[in-house]
Amino acid sequence: DGGITQSPKYLFRKEGQNVTLSCEQNLNHDAMYWYRQDPGQGLRLIYYSQIVNDFQKGDIAEGYSVSREKKESFPLTVTSAQKNPTAFYLCASSRDRGYNEQFFGPGTRLTVL
Amino acid sequence: QKEVEQNSGPLSVPEGAIASLNCTYSDRGSQSFFWYRQYSGKSPELIMSIYSNGDKEDGRFTAQLNKASQYVSLLIRDSQPSDSATYLCAVLILTGGGNKLTFGTGTQLKVEL
Repeated sequence: DGGITQSPKYLFRKEGQNVTLSCEQNLNHDAMYWYRQDPGQGLRLIYYSQIVNDFQKGDIAEGYSVSREKKESFPLTVTSAQKNPTAFYLCASSRDRGYNEQFFGPGTRLTVL
Repeated sequence: QKEVEQNSGPLSVPEGAIASLNCTYSDRGSQSFFWYRQYSGKSPELIMSIYSNGDKEDGRFTAQLNKASQYVSLLIRDSQPSDSATYLCAVLILTGGGNKLTFGTGTQLKVEL
């Protein structure tokens, strides 16, 4: 059963904590992405990776970090430097970074306490 | 001017009617266009992709693309209450760092009994 999984579904963070969001895909896709969605706003790109061991900043990378050690996995760390981290975080993948469609995981809702 | 613009709605249509959702974009070089459906609290689901001028039909959905006028639309025939969701328009835009999928803020559709 191919798809994208994200965990956890809900995450609560205290001020000053780093947290890591998991994203795994078994679609054999080369490219993976992280987006953030806030109410009333479109999806905004945080980071993307076109190939293992390579990734680039998106539009709002400050306060976030990623790694891409395996093709299947693209975890996102929300650091304490991110001033307003409460949001819905979405991971996506595509066959490559050409014109191919992007498919989304179920998302992680992060709340700062 | 926003790169991808949609009317936020809500757009209300009676059950069985045709729902028409519109999207305009600013980059004349865009080649790929997508419609996603997002239910409240869920992640976006790809429902249509269109790459060339004209109409593309898939079941009750028809995507229409007019590159000269820089708009793309989604028609939903025989609208059902289960179609009530937010519909996101996404456009692949060429940037200095490669292709970037840019999303509109979405149009909320309500199908009323």
